[in-house]
Amino acid sequence: GAVVSQHPSRVICKSGTSVKIECRSLDFQATTMFWYRQFPKQSLMLMATSNEGSKATYEQGVEKDKFLINHASLTLSTLTVTSAHPEDSSFYICSAGGLAGGLADTQYFGPGTRLTVL
Amino acid sequence: AQRVTQPEKLLSVFKGAPVELKCNYSYSGSPELFWYVQYSRQRLQLLLRHISRESIKGFTADLNKGETSFHLKKPFAQEEDSAMYYCAHSRGGKLIFGQGTELSVKP
Repeated sequence: GAVVSQHPSRVICKSGTSVKIECRSLDFQATTMFWYRQFPKQSLMLMATSNEGSKATYEQGVEKDKFLINHASLTLSTLTVTSAHPEDSSFYICSAGGLAGGLADTQYFGPGTRLTVL
Repeated sequence: AQRVTQPEKLLSVFKGAPVELKCNYSYSGSPELFWYVQYSRQRLQLLLRHISRESIKGFTADLNKGETSFHLKKPFAQEEDSAMYYCAHSRGGKLIFGQGTELSVKP
């Protein structure tokens, strides 16, 4: 089946630093990747949609200068949290879609990255 | 706004009891609805989608347009069904999730 990986699985950083999270589709090409944020015991909130070779589309209320997304290839998207602050601490999850021959709305999720900002 | 609502944060049942996790949607067109499951310390995974009308792990979900519902049901719950369950609908390829319901199946 389709596998999506994320790296790192957890990261702790100091306030003011930037953190990059990678999302990779391991055995398929993903035309579209999505980034979500999940707070403890809460739902996933879509942050942005990332299309290979074009600018990401951000959901309302998500600061695009704060959360930089790059989708340089069909198997890799990165999320950079710039100048991180404690309120950015969260669980960040990516998903990949666009399997050839698959249903358009099929998304496969990564295991998530736990970000803690001190 | 298009949304899905899961009214129960926690549902606790005993093993062998029937389970129904509720999901209501607000969408005037033909919705594309899904149920996702997240077991403890595992990634989110697709359980079933309404378009397939399938049964996965004994779970079924029927789209009821009259009641705008897509409740997830299983006649006999198992302990391994304990997990977070999310109802979601697709909007332009994006998934919009409900708040989630934690199912706890007790022995």
